[in-house]
Amino acid sequence: KNEVEQSPQNLTAQEGEFITINCSYSVGISALHWLQQHPGGGIVSLFMLSSGKKKHGRLIATINIQEKHSSLHITASHPRDSAVYICAVRAATGTASKLTFGTGTRLQVTL
Amino acid sequence: DTGVSQDPRHKITKRGQNVTFRCDPISEHNRLYWYRQTLGQGPEFLTYFQNEAQLEKSRLLSDRFSAERPKGSFSTLEIQRTEQGDSAMYLCASSILADEQFFGPGTRLTVL
Repeated sequence: KNEVEQSPQNLTAQEGEFITINCSYSVGISALHWLQQHPGGGIVSLFMLSSGKKKHGRLIATINIQEKHSSLHITASHPRDSAVYICAVRAATGTASKLTFGTGTRLQVTL
Repeated sequence: DTGVSQDPRHKITKRGQNVTFRCDPISEHNRLYWYRQTLGQGPEFLTYFQNEAQLEKSRLLSDRFSAERPKGSFSTLEIQRTEQGDSAMYLCASSILADEQFFGPGTRLTVL
């Protein structure tokens, strides 16, 4: 079992829909990251959070430390949101900087 | 542009050749990380530096792989005697201590 599991693996939505991507992890963490990867490989950091909720524009990230679960929400989705969204965790013990990544959720938003 | 840069962006090589990639982190960032990403998978940790010291290496990093960060600024990742299984995207990221990591565009390696 991977330390970081994401669901769904693939997601297709119509423009304007509300989208939720889930991430579950099995280790104690000091931080969780949500990342966006476009075709061609570049990765952009969206959020880093260790508790509660963060919002940036149409993106909202939440985390429940007790349940070891995080969600990324996109409100009023747009075709430019089409990308792979990756959850990554930084373990609370061991190498404090190393990130362990999920396999990503591929999102396609259509008109 | 003050982001993380990587060079080259693409590299095609024949099996058995040596390749070297370069990463230039954000200038004030003291930590630098190398990750590898194969098709359809999330990135996997390879190694990281704090300043010029290499503090951890993954078991994924075989003897054919070596990384350096000689003056605590840019870093190089060398792969000797490349194999087809080394084909992947090699990603570099930098941060200030354990803060948010900023990623470069990656170097895509194809081993024929």
